[in-house]
Amino acid sequence: GAVVSQHPSRVICKSGTSVKIECRSLDFQATTMFWYRQFPKQSLMLMATSNEGSKATYEQGVEKDKFLINHASLTLSTLTVTSAHPEDSSFYICSALGHSSTGELFFGEGSRLTVL
Amino acid sequence: GDSVTQMEGPVTLSEEAFLTINCTYTATGYPSLFWYVQYPGEGLQLLLKATKADDKGSNKGFEATYRKETTSFHLEKGSVQVSDSAVYFCALSEGTGNQFYFGTGTSLTVIP
Repeated sequence: GAVVSQHPSRVICKSGTSVKIECRSLDFQATTMFWYRQFPKQSLMLMATSNEGSKATYEQGVEKDKFLINHASLTLSTLTVTSAHPEDSSFYICSALGHSSTGELFFGEGSRLTVL
Repeated sequence: GDSVTQMEGPVTLSEEAFLTINCTYTATGYPSLFWYVQYPGEGLQLLLKATKADDKGSNKGFEATYRKETTSFHLEKGSVQVSDSAVYFCALSEGTGNQFYFGTGTSLTVIP
C-alpha cells in the first residue's frame, strides 16, 4: 500500500525556537495532505488541510502564523511550529489522500514534539 | 454536519475474549466508513473499510458491517490477542474523501 513518512519521529527543543516536521508521500503523489495534533487522551484534532501549490486551509482556532504549513511539491508537506512553547508539546501526525476510489487516508508515523 | 460517535474506553479484555467497539455516524450523503488502528508510539493504519451499505470490511480477524438503517459500523473480533492492544478510530468520509471525520478513539488493552 501507499507509504507516508514523517520526520523527525521525535524532537526536543527549547522554548522560543522553531521546529520543522516533514511529511512525504513515498510512492504516490499527494495533492492533499492533512495535519493533525493528537492530545494525551488520544483524540485527533485536524489542524489544517495542505494543498500542493496553494495556501493551507486552517481549522478554526489554529493559529496559521504559529503553525506554518508549506506544500511545495506533490510529495512533501512541512509543518513548522514557530516560537514553540511547552503547551505546543504534542504528537503531530500527517496524512495524505490516496488515489483510490474510496479516497483512503494514509498516515505518517507521527512526530513527538517536546518543548522544554 | 457529519460526525462520528465512538464508544469511550478504555476497554480491557482477557486474551481470546470477544471484542465489540461501537461506532455510529451522522452524514448528509453516502459516506465511506473506516476503522483505523494506532499502535503505541505510531501513526494510524487502515484496519478495514466499507464503501456502501451492507458492505462488510474485514482484516486480521476484525470485521465491521456498514449498517445504513442504524447508521452504525461496529468493530468486532471473535478472539482478541495481546498484540491487538492499540487505539481504534472509527472514521467516515464523503464523496471522494477530501474531508474525514474521526471518532475520539477507543483504547483497547488485552491482557494474557
